[in-house]
Amino acid sequence: DTAVSQTPKYLVTQMGNDKSIKCEQNLGHDTMYWYKQDSKKFLKIMFSYNNKELIINETVPNRFSPKSPDKAHLNLHINSLELGDSAVYFCASSARGGGAYGYTFGSGTRLTVV
Amino acid sequence: AQSVTQPDIHITVSEGASLELRCNYSYGATPYLFWYVQSPGQGLQLLLKYFSGDTLVQGIKGFEAEFKRSQSSFNLRKPSVHWSDAAEYFCAVGAPGGADGLTFGKGTHLIIQP
Repeated sequence: DTAVSQTPKYLVTQMGNDKSIKCEQNLGHDTMYWYKQDSKKFLKIMFSYNNKELIINETVPNRFSPKSPDKAHLNLHINSLELGDSAVYFCASSARGGGAYGYTFGSGTRLTVV
Repeated sequence: AQSVTQPDIHITVSEGASLELRCNYSYGATPYLFWYVQSPGQGLQLLLKYFSGDTLVQGIKGFEAEFKRSQSSFNLRKPSVHWSDAAEYFCAVGAPGGADGLTFGKGTHLIIQP
């Protein structure tokens, strides 16, 4: 049973398209996150979300939007894809007070924009 | 704002030799500290974490790390590396509440020589 699962694992798409990446966690965690890993492997948080609050990293373009149908899911929707959006996107989750209990990451979605 | 510095971009170690990966952090209070490992094409696996108590923490795969408040450091060590330890290693800091997620260092790429 995968704790945090992302689909798809690979996504190749053309510039200007709109795409979504899905994330599901079965850990009962109440906070979920999206991270972006660039070509130099640098990981940066994009969003954190629980059922009460969305925290957005101010550097994230508004073409990116998280959507949470329920506590176990946090999908990432991207509009008007650009070449610079090519990266690996990781979903993660944590229990309340994440630091003490750790963060669990999905296996990543490699997005390539052509 | 919190930050993490991993001063070594690449480290090469002979198989069977000891390993130390450096991590320095900047955080206004007692941080929650983590080490993650990422094998090629894979997601992030938690090696160990520190948030209170004994400053020497044991993790999986024979790794340990020591929290030194006076040096703002959380260095990762292993007494004898195996070829399978070749990977990217990330140090990260998080706030106790967890809502802001993790701030990662830029990673250290570990190469194991036979």
